[in-house]
Amino acid sequence: SQQGEEDPQALSIQEGENATMNCSYKTSINNLQWYRQNSGRGLVHLILIRSNEREKHSGRLRVTLDTSKKSSSLLITASRAADTASYFCATEAIYRDDKIIFGKGTRLHILP
Amino acid sequence: DGGITQSPKYLFRKEGQNVTLSCEQNLNHDAMYWYRQDPGQGLRLIYYSQIVNDFQKGDIAEGYSVSREKKESFPLTVTSAQKNPTAFYLCASSISGLSSYEQYFGPGTRLTVT
Repeated sequence: SQQGEEDPQALSIQEGENATMNCSYKTSINNLQWYRQNSGRGLVHLILIRSNEREKHSGRLRVTLDTSKKSSSLLITASRAADTASYFCATEAIYRDDKIIFGKGTRLHILP
Repeated sequence: DGGITQSPKYLFRKEGQNVTLSCEQNLNHDAMYWYRQDPGQGLRLIYYSQIVNDFQKGDIAEGYSVSREKKESFPLTVTSAQKNPTAFYLCASSISGLSSYEQYFGPGTRLTVT
């Protein structure tokens, strides 16, 4: 069953602009992670935010978590061509016995 | 050079044949995972192992089998019972099975069954 769902499904922006993608989930979570996947490759972990945290930064990445709305957002500032990839949120629901569930992802395309 | 490797990158099989996908890690991680990814979809958990000689079914285990005889190895066998085996298979590992630890992924194996 799908726990996290990313929005939008696809996003195209000009290089240098900011990209925002969202993740909504259904049940209470312990933490939420964001991963990046370049085409045909494995996933790379970007950031983990715990349920008692509201915001986290890592370089050009900013992640927010709103547990009351059951949603998270990933902001990539000053986008670059190398940011072109799919981005997935992964949630660990409290009932899931430590197993995480991945959403379907947002495909981000940075235009030159 | 630490990491997680999967081989081969591409695999082709005839319908009705079993096939084994390799996954090796030298990160000294306790937990290992197998996921399946279909086009435009997220990852679905097939099997996971939190410790050597132990593994559990994930959400879509039917038609698959695994073993965990060594800490560094977690091979996945796609059996002929799997009705729709063509997919991209990803192996991952983490320090422990707790969800608060990030997962490290291999490069994946693309399996095509005809």
